[in-house]
Amino acid sequence: AQRVTQPEKLLSVFKGAPVELKCNYSYSGSPELFWYVQYSRQRLQLLLRHISRESIKGFTADLNKGETSFHLKKPFAQEEDSAMYYCAPFPHTGNQFYFGTGTSLTVIP
Amino acid sequence: DVKVTQSSRYLVKRTGEKVFLECVQDMDHENMFWYRQDPGLGLRLIYFSYDVKMKEKGDIPEGYSVSREKKERFSLILESASTNQTSMYLCASSSSAQGGEKLLFGSGTQLSVL
Repeated sequence: AQRVTQPEKLLSVFKGAPVELKCNYSYSGSPELFWYVQYSRQRLQLLLRHISRESIKGFTADLNKGETSFHLKKPFAQEEDSAMYYCAPFPHTGNQFYFGTGTSLTVIP
Repeated sequence: DVKVTQSSRYLVKRTGEKVFLECVQDMDHENMFWYRQDPGLGLRLIYFSYDVKMKEKGDIPEGYSVSREKKERFSLILESASTNQTSMYLCASSSSAQGGEKLLFGSGTQLSVL
């Protein structure tokens, strides 16, 4: 079965500290990898996708095929980064679009 | 501004009622999805549709059905609502029948079943 694991349900960091949100997946093949974010009272929206290799709002995510991980990182957390983050490895074939269980990030001023 | 619109932001229903959650997208997307979002459980896929009148079960289809009579509209139906179906329901759409395309989400419907 294809599954996604985000081991931390809650994560708190101080403003200016580095932050890493972990994501591990067990998929056959090579899925397309995404991170989605939901800020308070806003819609769930795309934060970044691996294939574009963009840095959005200072976040990056590195694919480690050996460990099947796609951790989200930011060197200096900001208060506006407080949100719910979901990892989403989507398969290139098939139609099951699974999300991780999510990590709620709180950045402490 | 393209969007996915869910007809109700908040809904309160009684146990046993038949409930319809409506979702409309204006982007001519082939794929549409229904998820429920619960604290600690994340997003769980209920049903999705990759074409008109086509549907496939997700992880948790029990107690739900769907209808897609037109490309832009995807309805989630709770045949007989139960208290364990109290949740936030999210509709999404995407432009490709294959993986790799981003999903666009609606603002959600918070359903309370009393």
